[in-house]
Amino acid sequence: NAGVTQTPKFQVLKTGQSMTLQCAQDMNHNSMYWYRQDPGMGLRLIYYSASEGTTDKGEVPNGYNVSRLNKREFSLRLESAAPSQTSVYFCASVGTSYEQYFGPGTRLTVT
Amino acid sequence: GDSVTQMEGPVTLSEEAFLTINCTYTATGYPSLFWYVQYPGEGLQLLLKATKADDKGSNKGFEATYRKETTSFHLEKGSVQVSDSAVYFCALGNTGGFKTIFGAGTRLFVKA
Repeated sequence: NAGVTQTPKFQVLKTGQSMTLQCAQDMNHNSMYWYRQDPGMGLRLIYYSASEGTTDKGEVPNGYNVSRLNKREFSLRLESAAPSQTSVYFCASVGTSYEQYFGPGTRLTVT
Repeated sequence: GDSVTQMEGPVTLSEEAFLTINCTYTATGYPSLFWYVQYPGEGLQLLLKATKADDKGSNKGFEATYRKETTSFHLEKGSVQVSDSAVYFCALGNTGGFKTIFGAGTRLFVKA
């Protein structure tokens, strides 16, 4: 039982490059979230998916797109990376009591 | 709107000291309350939860009681260890929408 997995763990991009962050959960949860965590800024919600086939914007969606591929997988895409997107990205899935289970994170640097 | 306020850190304690990290909330409904812990270089982990008033959540020696009358959910531990050094987040869930509202986090340092 792996819980929530994220790939890659680390990534360095040049400005303008694109990439997709992958997230998968094996807990059969309906809801999944993407956050970014910056020093001094806490956790900020980028996008969420309340159920398979639905996605909605969070607090900071600009520059990102998401796909809820199936119940297990929720990916985050940066179409044209910018230095302001340097951050640690966390995926989470939501349990029946609204508790969240987080992945280990992807540490992204955009130069 | 709904919000969470937790005490600012860093909090520095000696090993075996008593820990309290204060958390208060504002919510219009009947939220669930959580404490998460984040160790260096890792993701957040659920530490404990309480889903209704007067519930006490506990795990790994940590405790917190859901106090509706004072809108608080303070985290306590009787005797901290160096391994408890981490950032602790108080959070509010089930607020009527899909978002969980996180506090800003409190960094704890425990000295040997």
